[in-house]
Parts: sequence; structure tokens; C-alpha cells
Amino acid sequence: AQKITQTQPGMFVQEKEAVTLDCTYDTSDPSYGLFWYKQPSSGEMIFLIYQGSYDQQNATEGRYSLNFQKARKSANLVISASQLGDSAMYFCAMREGQGSQGNLIFGKGTKLSVKP
Amino acid sequence: DGGITQSPKYLFRKEGQNVTLSCEQNLNHDAMYWYRQDPGQGLRLIYYSQIVNDFQKGDIAEGYSVSREKKESFPLTVTSAQKNPTAFYLCASSMQKTGKAEAFFGQGTRLTVV
Repeated sequence: AQKITQTQPGMFVQEKEAVTLDCTYDTSDPSYGLFWYKQPSSGEMIFLIYQGSYDQQNATEGRYSLNFQKARKSANLVISASQLGDSAMYFCAMREGQGSQGNLIFGKGTKLSVKP
Repeated sequence: DGGITQSPKYLFRKEGQNVTLSCEQNLNHDAMYWYRQDPGQGLRLIYYSQIVNDFQKGDIAEGYSVSREKKESFPLTVTSAQKNPTAFYLCASSMQKTGKAEAFFGQGTRLTVV
């Protein structure tokens, strides 16, 4: 079974609008962390935002925020005021705190295209 | 500047050859990882190392080998036993293997079998 599921292979958004990228996860470990990475066409992976399983508030980093719904096991990334430079692949990842030695497990990604 | 350097950026391999991908970091990170990325797929873990002279297999280790003789270096060898090696390879490192420590990535090596 997939541990990280990203159901949107591709998304389009108009410049300056907000967009939500979906991510659901599966774990029985009470301690875990959720990460979002951006991968531009150049290939490098850029860390965007982190949410810990015990964090009381949703994480925010500039235009990025994470809509963390623990009971539903979802960790959606919200990008506000989209810019053309936001066009890229976006990956959700999870690190479990115990048992799996803490490696990052990635979803298959969502390709975001920002239209001018 | 601190970071992770992968080389080469592009690599071409003939069938039956072994090739080695370089990964060097100057972030003083303990943990290092190798991932493989295929089109339409996420990143899949090949090998990881938490400490010098120790490493473990990831999900798709068959046909690959690694070494960790120095903290800064974690080279990956793609052997002739790897039947479908054409892919994008990413090296990463992190300070800790648990908690908030994000993984930092290199720019990747694109390997093509010719």
C-alpha cells in the first residue's frame, strides 16, 4: 500500500490565484513529519515546508501553508498568489519517527502549471 | 557555500559497464541517501547511510552498490546487474534521521544507457 498518495498528476492555476495540492498519507506511527518539496525543470529538490504530527498549528512559510488534517491523514499544500515561477513538480513526503529508520518516503508528485 | 554536489550532471553508459556517480556534501550531515526518479514516479530510495562505514539497502538496491568511507562522500555505483539503469539520480543528506530535519538535495545526475 502506498504511504503517500498524491491524486492530482497535473494542475493548472491562473497567475495570482491560490491553489491547493492534495496529499494523503498512511502510517500507524504516532510520531511522523510531513514535508513538501518543489522540483523545477532543472531537477533539484527544494524544501518548502514541514509539519510535525504533534504540531498544534498548521505550518506556514511565506506564500506556502500546509492544511494539516490529522484525523483524515491529509497534508495539503496551499500556495497563495501563484507566480509563473511556481510552475514545477511538487512532492509530498513523510518521515516516520519509529520503525522505518526515519527515511523520507515520497509521493508520485503533482505537476503545477501557472498560466499568465 | 554549503551544499551537496553531484557529478557528473549527465552520464552515458554502455550496456555491461559499471559507472560511479559522485556525491559530496560539506554540510557536516550524518545521514546521506541515494534516490532514483523515473518519469511519472516519485523518488525511490536506493541506499542510505547514517554514519561512516555503515549503510543500508533501501527499496530498490538490487544492481547498485555504495560506500561511505568519509562523512562527506557517498558514491553510488550502478553495476551491470542493474537491468534498467536509465533514470535521474538524486543524492541527499540530512542532519538527523528523525524530526524536523529536512533533506537537502544535490542537482542530480541523469544517467542514460546507450
